[in-house]
Amino acid sequence: GAVVSQHPSWVICKSGTSVKIECRSLDFQATTMFWYRQFPKQSLMLMATSNEGSKATYEQGVEKDKFLINHASLTLSTLTVTSAHPEDSSFYICSARDRRSGSTDTQYFGPGTRLTVL
Amino acid sequence: QQQVKQSPQSLIVQKGGIPIINCAYENTAFDYFPWYQQFPGKGPALLIAIRPDVSEKKEGRFTISFNKSAKQFSLHIMDSQPGDSATYFCAASIAGNTPLVFGKGTRLSVIA
Repeated sequence: GAVVSQHPSWVICKSGTSVKIECRSLDFQATTMFWYRQFPKQSLMLMATSNEGSKATYEQGVEKDKFLINHASLTLSTLTVTSAHPEDSSFYICSARDRRSGSTDTQYFGPGTRLTVL
Repeated sequence: QQQVKQSPQSLIVQKGGIPIINCAYENTAFDYFPWYQQFPGKGPALLIAIRPDVSEKKEGRFTISFNKSAKQFSLHIMDSQPGDSATYFCAASIAGNTPLVFGKGTRLSVIA
């Protein structure tokens, strides 16, 4: 149980295009989903917190108009990188909290999406 | 501001050895401390987690030791295997819906 999927697993796009990444909790409902960005050999950097049915909370320095987050249901959150540029190339990972879990603090991570912007 | 400090940055041990990874935190409000394992190109996987009301927790070959007064916690991997070679992250959060704060990670290599 507690499986989180991401789609696509990797994507290559041209500069200026928009890319949408989906994060799904497959066997549980997630009260909250988180989006992280990870550069090679570095730790995870929290980009935003997404609560179902409400606006996402972005971390300082993260452009909300560039990284659009939608959490339309308890099992799906999407991250759209708008007008992507080469500096947006990174590994994007989502995580979700299982509202059924005895510990509401447990976060399960997706497999990540490798974005390369040419 | 780095709220969770993790060391060492990298670690090499022989197969069968017991690598120890340490983390220290500053915020005394933290009350949930998980460890994650990440292989290259994959998302982090939850290994084991502890709360401040216990000083040690063991799951299989993985053990967390927790020292509340020192604000430190560590991960021990018993009988380490080459398949344990990965990056390990400690993290901390405050109970409720707050995000995890991650350490910078430790790259572990277990050599045969």
